[in-house]
Amino acid sequence: NAGVTQTPKFRVLKTGQSMTLLCAQDMNHEYMYWYRQDPGMGLRLIHYSVGEGTTAKGEVPDGYNVSRLKKQNFLLGLESAAPSQTSVYFCASSQGEDSRPQHFGDGTRLSIL
Amino acid sequence: GQNIDQPTEMTATEGAIVQINCTYQTSGFNGLFWYQQHAGEAPTFLSYNVLDGLEEKGRFSSFLSRSKGYSYLLLKELQMKDSASYLCAVRDSNYQLIWGAGTKLIIKP
Repeated sequence: NAGVTQTPKFRVLKTGQSMTLLCAQDMNHEYMYWYRQDPGMGLRLIHYSVGEGTTAKGEVPDGYNVSRLKKQNFLLGLESAAPSQTSVYFCASSQGEDSRPQHFGDGTRLSIL
Repeated sequence: GQNIDQPTEMTATEGAIVQINCTYQTSGFNGLFWYQQHAGEAPTFLSYNVLDGLEEKGRFSSFLSRSKGYSYLLLKELQMKDSASYLCAVRDSNYQLIWGAGTKLIIKP
């Protein structure tokens, strides 16, 4: 029962480097989300997708891009990493925007030096 | 702006009862979720309220008052494994989840 799988689990980058965070879900969910979680703050939505081939901006989209080429995968890209992007990144998926909850991956701990 | 308020930290004793409060001010309301998050792990779903009243699930219950912008999570018969952060999240008029910063619950023997 994999659920939502995120790779990598940890990564250290230098300022200006780029990388892609991978999220895969095996629950056939339509909706997928990328959040960041910082100390003392609630989860903040970066980007989300309501279906294959669609993406939309969340609360804090600047400096990030996403793609949803396949229903089961949602990729988060950092084009030029900055220290302010040091955070824990969570991917989540859900079947809809109703009472059904979002299911989260285990997170990616990203440090930008 | 939108705001979810929860106490930062609470301490309780094993076997006791604890109530974690959440107050919210959001643009619209389309449901409230409670999640549990153990340190270093993913949030996991606990409960959902959309109508006023109490929802009970075993040792956990969640209450909602929409007119007061208020919810609480009640944990009974506390166990050491309940030591975790508890996150309150409200779905706003755009169907986006607005998250509180979480309440860290410490259980003492």
